[in-house]
Amino acid sequence: GAGVSQSPSNKVTEKGKDVELRCDPISGHTALYWYRQSLGQGLEFLIYFQGNSAPDKSGLPSDRFSAERTGGSVSTLTIQRTQQEDSAVYLCASSRQGGAFYTDTQYFGPGTRLTVL
Amino acid sequence: KNEVEQSPQNLTAQEGEFITINCSYSVGISALHWLQQHPGGGIVSLFMLSSGKKKHGRLIATINIQEKHSSLHITASHPRDSAVYICACTSGSRLTFGEGTQLTVNP
Repeated sequence: GAGVSQSPSNKVTEKGKDVELRCDPISGHTALYWYRQSLGQGLEFLIYFQGNSAPDKSGLPSDRFSAERTGGSVSTLTIQRTQQEDSAVYLCASSRQGGAFYTDTQYFGPGTRLTVL
Repeated sequence: KNEVEQSPQNLTAQEGEFITINCSYSVGISALHWLQQHPGGGIVSLFMLSSGKKKHGRLIATINIQEKHSSLHITASHPRDSAVYICACTSGSRLTFGEGTQLTVNP
C-alpha cells in the first residue's frame, strides 16, 4: 500500500515569506508526527497528533510554527515569516496508534527540503 | 550532555564484518527506536523495543533497561547497509534522538 507522502519535495522561499508543508499519512494511522533535520544536525521533534486529542506542540521552536490535521488524516505544517535558520528537511511520520508514549512503529515520509534564502 | 548518546559517530567496516552501534540514554524511557537513514534521506524504522532483544534478518537490537543502554548489531555486513543509524528514546511525551552513527561498509 501507499506509504507516507509529503509535498512539496523541495521548497525554496525568501526570508519573511510563509510556507505550508503537507503530509499525507498512511491510511488508517491515527498518530502523525512532524520532525525536522537541520544540515549536519540530528532529528528534532516538532509536533504530534493522536486521533482527535489536542496535539502535543512541545517541540515547536517558536510561535511562527503551527500545524493542523484535518479530518484525522492530512496534516499541514505552516511556518510564518520564515527565517534562514528554518532551512531544514521537514519529515512527517505516522503510526497506527501512537498513544502518549510513542510506542508504536513509525513510518516516515520522504521529507520536504526547505531552503530559506 | 545529550540525553541520548550514540557511539561511534562514524564507523567504517569491510563487507562481512560484524558491526555494533551503541546507544546510551540518561532518562527513564518507555520505548527505544532504531532508525535507518539512507543517503537519499529516507528514514526507515528498524526496531522499537522496550525490553530484551529483537531480530530481523541480519539485524539484532538489544536493550538493557537497568544499564540504560541499547545496541544495534549487524551480522555479515554488506555495502547496502551503509547509512546513518539513529537511536531515539521515548520518555513521557517526548521523543529524543541521538546524533546518529554514520556507517560505511566497503566491498
